Amino acid sequence: SYELTQPPSVSVSPGQTARITCSGDKLGDKYAYWYQQKPGQSPVVVIYQDSKRPSGIPERFSGSNSGNTATLTISGTQTMDEADYYCQAWDSSTGVFGTGTKVTVL
Amino acid sequence: QVQLQESGPGLVKPSQTLPLTCTVSGGSFSSSNNYWSWIRQPAGNGLEWIGRINTRGSTNYNPSLKSRVTISVDTSKKQFSLKLNSVTAADTAVYYCARVGDSSGYGNAFDIWGQGTMVTVSS
Repeated sequence: SYELTQPPSVSVSPGQTARITCSGDKLGDKYAYWYQQKPGQSPVVVIYQDSKRPSGIPERFSGSNSGNTATLTISGTQTMDEADYYCQAWDSSTGVFGTGTKVTVL
Repeated sequence: QVQLQESGPGLVKPSQTLPLTCTVSGGSFSSSNNYWSWIRQPAGNGLEWIGRINTRGSTNYNPSLKSRVTISVDTSKKQFSLKLNSVTAADTAVYYCARVGDSSGYGNAFDIWGQGTMVTVSS
């Protein structure tokens, strides 16, 4: 079955750039999606189709996808960005989530 | 705007069937662009996609759960349902329903989620 692997944790200082990777076989041939989940809340999509931001998502969130790796970048990270982040892709009509990354802003 | 609400028992005994329903309100349910999904998350762990259905009844399931899962739809009630058979403690999780499709213009993202419902498997 298809798998997406993320680093368990990323730490970043306020105002700095956080990068979260998502690795999967030929992931660049698929669309990558990214979700932010804060404690006790449902996930929210922050990037769709590799690099597009839904309405209401701040410009500091950006994404890319090439080869075997998709990357979510948070520029000028704010304390409110502290959360778990999950990548997601579709593999032959099957949904697959990444293992998740906890972003700590300190 | 579209809202999703999960409902069902919070406690299920081992070996029994876990039944959940998701009710859709505030928008179109029958758009051919949408699929309706179930996703779960054990405490302290990541998200796991369970499966999806469209309003024509076409389904796709997670291969690891396929033998135990049935997802169905009732368009007259604007609901879709999950049945997970032969549950064990490993099925204890928060269960979310979510919309996927292009109604919002976000491709095949899970763009709208329910609040989630906690289901515990225990005797």
